[in-house]
Amino acid sequence: QSALTQPASVSGSPGQSITISCTGTSSDVGSYNLVSWYQQHPGKAPQVMVYEVSKRPSGVSNRFSGSKSGNTASLTISGLQAEDEAHYYCCSYASSSTWVFGGGTKLTVL
Amino acid sequence: QITLKESGPTLVKPTQTLTLTCTFSGFSLSTGGVGVGWIRQPPGKALEWLALIYWNDDKRYSPSLKSRLTITKDTSKNQVVLTMTYVDPVDTATYYCAHATGYYFDSWGQGTLVTVSS
Repeated sequence: QSALTQPASVSGSPGQSITISCTGTSSDVGSYNLVSWYQQHPGKAPQVMVYEVSKRPSGVSNRFSGSKSGNTASLTISGLQAEDEAHYYCCSYASSSTWVFGGGTKLTVL
Repeated sequence: QITLKESGPTLVKPTQTLTLTCTFSGFSLSTGGVGVGWIRQPPGKALEWLALIYWNDDKRYSPSLKSRLTITKDTSKNQVVLTMTYVDPVDTATYYCAHATGYYFDSWGQGTLVTVSS
């Protein structure tokens, strides 16, 4: 079970949109609509932003949206704000009832 | 309001057994569909899922660590315990416990940093 593949870093200016990809395999992302995304600020615990590919928990801004195509899931953040600067991790349910995280992406708001 | 808090040693020697406790409130681990998982994060590195236990005592482990991990629950105490045998310096990490609903982790503890060193 290998970690899901994410870009190490992405950046964007305030107001812009960015997309973070998360590539897995047919044993995880490709087989289940059970991808979640977590935001982590330095020194803090992760917080779920999207679950089941595209659902948002209550309280999460609608600027965060998720999608999936084949073995790749994506998180899009629109209308970038300074407070969005953080690390983002994808996570997928996988075969044998396990979970696998991505390597993480550092988002920089320029 | 769901809260979770991890506790355990901050320093462990190589080859020893690490025991971590997650004490939670705001939910019951006897409620159908509920689980508690453990996730760790080495300094400056990514999250890694370790284990999860469900309300019905079903247990799941990371394939790469399965032989070293044991997860148990004490429903009456609202606690989940993770033990890891034969620790190594590469096991140095912040260990988080998290409430699982469905197939994602919706509430996390603050984490506890465990250093493995002689």
